Amino acid sequence: LAKTTQPISMDSYEGQEVNITCSHNNIATNDYITWYQQFPSQGPRFIIQGYKTKVTNEVASLFIPADRKSSTLSLPRVSLSDTAVYYCLVVSGGYNKLIFGAGTRLAVHP
Amino acid sequence: GAVVSQHPSRVICKSGTSVKIECRSLDFQATTMFWYRQFPKQSLMLMATSNEGSKATYEQGVEKDKFLINHASLTLSTLTVTSAHPEDSSFYICSEKRGADNNEQFFGPGTRLTVL
Repeated sequence: LAKTTQPISMDSYEGQEVNITCSHNNIATNDYITWYQQFPSQGPRFIIQGYKTKVTNEVASLFIPADRKSSTLSLPRVSLSDTAVYYCLVVSGGYNKLIFGAGTRLAVHP
Repeated sequence: GAVVSQHPSRVICKSGTSVKIECRSLDFQATTMFWYRQFPKQSLMLMATSNEGSKATYEQGVEKDKFLINHASLTLSTLTVTSAHPEDSSFYICSEKRGADNNEQFFGPGTRLTVL
C-alpha cells in the first residue's frame, strides 16, 4: 500500500477555500486516491475518491495531476463545521483494508 | 442516515473484566467488516478484518486471544476485549465495505472504552 504524506495541520477562516495536498509517490497503477473526514469522537466519513484528473461532488473537489504522485482536496467556502481531521488514503482496486496515515487537522476560525 | 451502528457508545469497566462491542450493518449484508482502534490525537489503527462465517484476520501486533472477533451473521460483528486493562482504553470503531468494486467504507460512530 502506497504511503501518503500530508500536512499535520492547517488553519483557515470561514468562507475561504481550503486546499489540502497529499503526496503519494509510490502509487500503483490500480490504486485510487480516497479522502475521509473525521470529527472528534466520531467514525470517519467518506468524502471523495478519484483515479485521475478532477472529481467533484457536492462536498469537495479532488485534483489529481497526470503523474498521480500527489492529489489535492479542495473544500470551497469552508465553515466552522468543516473543522475536522482529513485523511488521504491510497486504496488498491478491489482492496481489502484501509490504512490511515496521520491526517491533516483543519481548524476553521470565525 | 446512519448505515452502521455500534453499541454501546460508551463503556466504563474495571480492570480484568471483559467488554463486548457490537457493530451492526443497518441496511446491508456485510461479508467483510473491519475493526479499528484510535487513541487520543492519533490516527485510526486497523486491528482486524472480520469475515462472516470464518475467522478474523488480525493485523500484526494485535493479540487475537485478547481481542476476540465474531462475525456470525451478515449484519453483526462483535469485538470482545478480554481481561481489559487501562492501556486498552481507547476509541473502537468498526466499518463495513460494500461490494468488491466499491472502495468506500462506512464507519460506525465508535465506542469509547475506559478501563479503570
